[in-house]
Amino acid sequence: GQQVMQIPQYQHVQEGEDFTTYCNSSTTLSNIQWYKQRPGGHPVFLIQLVKSGEVKKQKRLTFQFGEAKKNSSLHITATQTTDVGTYFCAVGIIFGKGTRLHILP
Amino acid sequence: GAVVSQHPSRVICKSGTSVKIECRSLDFQATTMFWYRQFPKQSLMLMATSNEGSKATYEQGVEKDKFLINHASLTLSTLTVTSAHPEDSSFYICSAPFSYNEQFFGPGTRLTVL
Repeated sequence: GQQVMQIPQYQHVQEGEDFTTYCNSSTTLSNIQWYKQRPGGHPVFLIQLVKSGEVKKQKRLTFQFGEAKKNSSLHITATQTTDVGTYFCAVGIIFGKGTRLHILP
Repeated sequence: GAVVSQHPSRVICKSGTSVKIECRSLDFQATTMFWYRQFPKQSLMLMATSNEGSKATYEQGVEKDKFLINHASLTLSTLTVTSAHPEDSSFYICSAPFSYNEQFFGPGTRLTVL
């Protein structure tokens, strides 16, 4: 089945700095989803990307789908403590390993 | 948004006992639900797909006799961990698809087997 490689595994940033996590696939994806899991919580759906080169924004979050539909990224501008958690990309029901974001005060 | 509930949220049991976990879609029908397992600081590993009215589909390496799944109705799926052992201790999460590729997750069940 389809798999996605997600990097980095961990990221520590100072509050106010930007953060980016990347997902890569060796095969062309029809779509990709992003989820956020807060510490102790469950994954929450953020967005789905479908179109080649698609860019979607949710406040400080920017999601991109590569032109070849083999990679995707999630970028957070000016991180806040509420952004703490693990961000997963997913292809349907298969999840990437996630990037754990820790914010330093 | 759609809500998925899961019960119990936490369970501690002795080795050898069986534990049943319920997953309910509260405001929508789900002919399919998914069961995941998550170890601390790790990703979600898909265990099985629960299908209403038919047998569950298990992922490779998941013992179907160990993890019994029953999708009793369009809003309820249950996972029973039979003869639980300490290595079964984990965070079990169910999900239901609300729309195309959008999963709604239950709050999870933390199982500790002593």
